[in-house]
Amino acid sequence: AQKITQTQPGMFVQEKEAVTLDCTYDTSDQSYGLFWYKQPSSGEMIFLIYQGSYDEQNATEGRYSLNFQKARKSANLVISASQLGDSAMYFCAMREGAGGFKTIFGAGTRLFVKA
Amino acid sequence: EAGVAQSPRYKIIEKRQSVAFWCNPISGHATLYWYQQILGQGPKLLIQFQNNGVVDDSQLPKDRFSAERLKGVDSTLKIQPAKLEDSAVYLCASSSDLGGTYEQYFGPGTRLTVT
Repeated sequence: AQKITQTQPGMFVQEKEAVTLDCTYDTSDQSYGLFWYKQPSSGEMIFLIYQGSYDEQNATEGRYSLNFQKARKSANLVISASQLGDSAMYFCAMREGAGGFKTIFGAGTRLFVKA
Repeated sequence: EAGVAQSPRYKIIEKRQSVAFWCNPISGHATLYWYQQILGQGPKLLIQFQNNGVVDDSQLPKDRFSAERLKGVDSTLKIQPAKLEDSAVYLCASSSDLGGTYEQYFGPGTRLTVT
């Protein structure tokens, strides 16, 4: 069965520093996709970054990068140069299969950026 | 490009009453998702449509929840009768089947309170 684990309920980071949010996953599929979403206090989920299981390079989107370690089944999100607006809940998610099959979400990590 | 629209934004009902939520996905997105997000948890998929067919509804409590997607565009999610434990935010999301990543774009959600 699919499983996503985010072990950090809360994280603090100083403004302008980098922070890593952990995510491990469990799947028996060879083809899957990994996502990170941000949920500010307003409640809307915002797509940040995607990594496919066959992608050899780590995904990057601006200040976001995904540290993909396939053998360890981890997909950590790295946020560089943290900003106050980065304070939010962050969810790791996985979609199994080659098609748009069910996506499951982790429990989330709340990030607090300190001025 | 218009985002995912949901209504209402807030709803308060008494237990055993019925309620319906509406979602209009991003134009051209074939796949539509309904999630339930209980406070402090990650979203849980209730039902996933591709066009107007159901892809996954394994976590939909079918004795009280129903959903439809007419003509492969708008969707409604209904709860009848509601229970206290249905208090949650109901998120609608859509994704394009093109490109192969299936990243989801979320609406603002409907916050349901059952008293």
